Amino acid sequence: GENVGLHLPTLSVQEGDNSIINCAYSNSASDYFIWYKQESGKGPQFIIDIRSNMDKRQGQRVTVLLNKTVKHLSLQIAATQPGDSAVYFCAETPAGGTSYGKLTFGQGTILTVHP
Amino acid sequence: GAGVSQSPSNKVTEKGKDVELRCDPISGHTALYWYRQRLGQGLEFLIYFQGNSAPDKSGLPSDRFSAERTGESVSTLTIQRTQQEDSAVYLCASSPDGINQPQHFGDGTRLSIL
Repeated sequence: GENVGLHLPTLSVQEGDNSIINCAYSNSASDYFIWYKQESGKGPQFIIDIRSNMDKRQGQRVTVLLNKTVKHLSLQIAATQPGDSAVYFCAETPAGGTSYGKLTFGQGTILTVHP
Repeated sequence: GAGVSQSPSNKVTEKGKDVELRCDPISGHTALYWYRQRLGQGLEFLIYFQGNSAPDKSGLPSDRFSAERTGESVSTLTIQRTQQEDSAVYLCASSPDGINQPQHFGDGTRLSIL
């Protein structure tokens, strides 16, 4: 079936550096993409989303880039802080059909920020 | 405001027993989702409720799994005759109407089958 996966399972950075977390997806019908942050013992926390009619979206210290040509999604975190240490998941959902509304998650990237 | 609430936060039970997990979505959210997360892995979709429509049960792994939702409020996920492979964190999420909007998650129920 269709799936969403991550290139790098772990990422270690120094405090203050910028972080880039990558995600590949295979469903060409994917229409809506979300990045979540999950801390130990907690549920996923929404970070930022992007629709397929956009290439880039910015939030506070975070930027999501979408390249539909190569089916690639990335999350950029500026000035990474120790509190950013967590597992980051990308997720996608198609625009309609029987899969409408269901999120398909990648396996996650562990981000560790060293002081 | 209150987020998605799940109970219990932890559940330990013996193989073969039935368990019931509860989810209280954010008030006003018509869409409700259940996911399963095994240790160190991503989330697997289980079931999706949207308003009064028939639920999408396509992710339920076996007929031992079932879920109900009362109107646009509380949902319960029931696992009958639990097996050790059912051990996981069960996460519930809700969104305003399920249409291209982020899902907001509870902190899950950690289920351990002995």
